[in-house]
Amino acid sequence: DIQMTQSPSSLSASVGDRVTITCQASQDISNYLNWYQQKPGKAPKLLIYDASNLETGVPSRFSGSGSGTDFTFTISSLQPEDIATYYCQQYDNLPPAFGGGTKVEIK
Amino acid sequence: QVQLVQSGSELKKPGASVKVSCKASGYTFTSYAMNWVRQAPGQGLEWMGWINTNTGNPTYAQGFTGRFVFSLDTSVSTAYLQISSLKAEDTAVYYCARDRPGSYFPHFDYWGQGTLVTVSS
Repeated sequence: DIQMTQSPSSLSASVGDRVTITCQASQDISNYLNWYQQKPGKAPKLLIYDASNLETGVPSRFSGSGSGTDFTFTISSLQPEDIATYYCQQYDNLPPAFGGGTKVEIK
Repeated sequence: QVQLVQSGSELKKPGASVKVSCKASGYTFTSYAMNWVRQAPGQGLEWMGWINTNTGNPTYAQGFTGRFVFSLDTSVSTAYLQISSLKAEDTAVYYCARDRPGSYFPHFDYWGQGTLVTVSS
């Protein structure tokens, strides 16, 4: 099975800061990677698909990059409504695997 | 608009069974596979498996065979997750999630709101 290692597990940043989360796959997954946002008590929401494509309706301050084994998710200017846990997920093979999550808080 | 509406929270005793429903609307139900994802309290997301909504053929992830059953009622655009012989460690939020097309393997574009199943004596 492919393992997804996400870091950091949590971070605290100020409104307006640039926030970066990384996700590493245990083997090459090409660009078959999604990023999801989960707010407390809510279902996850798809933000980025195919590593770098913004889902319709998602603000442009969110972006993703990478291919192969190393991926990056960025919030260019952190907003109060971005408080959530973010997960990466690979779909290069079964079973689809999620990273452990990154909890983003406001400093 | 696409919506997945799940049934409400359940409190069950160990050894009992539970059936969670996921009613889809806003799209052709049989055109997209349906996935089930578990989230234990304070934990991350775990894929349980998926069901082909055209053929009814389910695929279960390791660790979700035997007591877990995926089923469909296409006449009402609804997917079901049944868990039998419930254990305390089955306590979790269970999500249905529509499979996003464009890949051989599961990824998820729309999610239900989640159903909390609590197993306690």
